[in-house]
Formats: sequence, structure tokens, C-alpha cells
Amino acid sequence: KQEVTQIPAALSVPEGENLVLNCSFTDSAIYNLQWFRQDPGKGLTSLLLIQSSQREQTSGRLNASLDKSSGRSTLYIAASQPGDSATYLCAVRRGTGGFKTIFGAGTRLFVKA
Amino acid sequence: DAGVIQSPRHEVTEMGQEVTLRCKPISGHDYLFWYRQTMMRGLELLIYFNNNVPIDDSGMPEDRFSAKMPNASFSTLKIQPSEPRDSAVYFCASGLPNSPLHFGNGTRLTVT
Repeated sequence: KQEVTQIPAALSVPEGENLVLNCSFTDSAIYNLQWFRQDPGKGLTSLLLIQSSQREQTSGRLNASLDKSSGRSTLYIAASQPGDSATYLCAVRRGTGGFKTIFGAGTRLFVKA
Repeated sequence: DAGVIQSPRHEVTEMGQEVTLRCKPISGHDYLFWYRQTMMRGLELLIYFNNNVPIDDSGMPEDRFSAKMPNASFSTLKIQPSEPRDSAVYFCASGLPNSPLHFGNGTRLTVT
């Protein structure tokens, strides 16, 4: 059974810092991995999708990496801003037998001005 | 594209009542997912459909929960009878195999 863990659970940083959010998964037979952002009271917004054959994806100040063999992904946020404050979730889609997508519990990020 | 549309946004009901949540996926997406989010358990996958057919309902908590997808543009999640422990935010999401999942804004359900 796939389990997804995110560390840390919460993070508070001053504006301008570069930071790394971590995601680990127990079953390396994945199809892809996706990072989402969730603002309070809102739905989830997709940030980056990494296919199982890829090592990383970049979008603006965000960079996500994937190491399938070790069951890890990281989301790197450069030059953090107060507007980055949100909960960040990673989700792993299984590689065989269906399309099941399992989420981690998320990292709550607060960027102080 | 209007995105994934869920209704209602908020639902308050009394224990024992039937609750029906609705979802319209993005046109062309052949996968549809129902998730439940609580502080204690995070995001849990309840059920997902492919081409209107339920594929995996192992996350449905009990027989009080049922989901249908009568056509490619509409799905419902029904709880009958509802209980206070069903209080949560219920999300619908749709997608294609090689593209990101798109989520609706959710339905916040409160059962008193």
C-alpha cells in the first residue's frame, strides 16, 4: 500500500529565503508525482507534474525533483514571498493497476514579510 | 474552460438526512475522483471513475456512501443517512493520464 509522507508539517520563514519541502513515498512503482498548493478554504491548484521518467520540472521560482529509486521528491521555492504562504501537498499516482492518486498530509508554509 | 464545478459550496444538514453532492468535470477528462478532506485524516480518496465506470471504491467509508456517474459531464456523491462524523470538505477532481489533476473548490459539509 502506497504511503506518502511530507516533512516538515509546518514551516515559517522570513521573506526572501530559499526553501525545500520534502515528500517521500513507499512504493517506487509510480506513474507520476504532482505538487499542489492549497490556500485556506480553497481547492487545490496544480503547481508541477513530474512523470516517472523525468528527474525534475521547473516553473518560475519553483523546481521539483524526483528520485524514484529512493522514493523522494523535493519542491524548491526560490526567493520566497508572503504570497507563497499556503499548504503544499504532493500526490503520487500509482504506476500499475489503475490511476489511484494518493496525497501526503501537506506542509503548511508561512512566509513572513 | 470553467474548470471542475461542484455544488453546493456549503451544505448544513441534520443527522439522518440524505445529502447529495454534485460535480461537473472538465470536458474531455475521462477520469473523475471524489476526495474527502479533514484535519485529522487529510485528503482521502473515496472513489474514482474512468469513462463513467467506477474503478476503485475501496476508500468509500461504508455503505451509507454511494457515487454515480451517469454521463461524462456529471457525477454525484450521496450520503444516506448522514452522520456528524461525515462533516468534512468533499472535493471532486478530473484529469487525463498524463496531465495534472484539476480540483473543484469543494463542498463543505456540516452534519449537526
